[in-house]
Amino acid sequence: AQTVTQSQPEMSVQEAETVTLSCTYDTSESDYYLFWYKQPPSRQMILVIRQEAYKQQNATENRFSVNFQKAAKSFSLKISDSQLGDAAMYFCAYRGAYSGGGADGLTFGKGTHLIIQP
Amino acid sequence: DVKVTQSSRYLVKRTGEKVFLECVQDMDHENMFWYRQDPGLGLRLIYFSYDVKMKEKGDIPEGYSVSREKKERFSLILESASTNQTSMYLCASSLLSTGFDTQYFGPGTRLTVL
Repeated sequence: AQTVTQSQPEMSVQEAETVTLSCTYDTSESDYYLFWYKQPPSRQMILVIRQEAYKQQNATENRFSVNFQKAAKSFSLKISDSQLGDAAMYFCAYRGAYSGGGADGLTFGKGTHLIIQP
Repeated sequence: DVKVTQSSRYLVKRTGEKVFLECVQDMDHENMFWYRQDPGLGLRLIYFSYDVKMKEKGDIPEGYSVSREKKERFSLILESASTNQTSMYLCASSLLSTGFDTQYFGPGTRLTVL
């Protein structure tokens, strides 16, 4: 079974600074997908960024980027120019490419609570 | 925009009651999911469905069942609620049967079983 580990239960960063959230995963599959989801306080979970494992190029979405290291099974999220609205729980998630396709659910990490200091 | 709605934000039930949690999506998505979220444990998959009347067990199906009679609606059923089922329940949906597809989440139902 796949596992996703987020080793930082809580992180704090000053507004406008850069922060990196860590995520490692364990899998025996060669092809898979990785995601970062954001859950703001009392609001719905939304997708931040996603990465296909067969693509070497790191995904980027505006101020959010990932550092995907396939050999190390690491998938960290970097948030540049942190804003107060970035305060949320961040979850790293995994889905195998051959385990039923998109109909299968995601395997989530335990989450990292990101605090933005004004 | 995709909208996933859940019937209640907060629910309080007694031990032994039968509990229904309803989820509706308005974008004709094929796949629907139920997760349970607990502090320090993240989200865990309970059940999912890839078509009407089809269901598959997730990682923690014990004590739960599901129903999908219409494409847009996916219900989670606690046949006899217990205190250890006190949790936040999140519903999600996705359009395609590809691993890369985005899951869209509802606002969650916080269930307390007394």
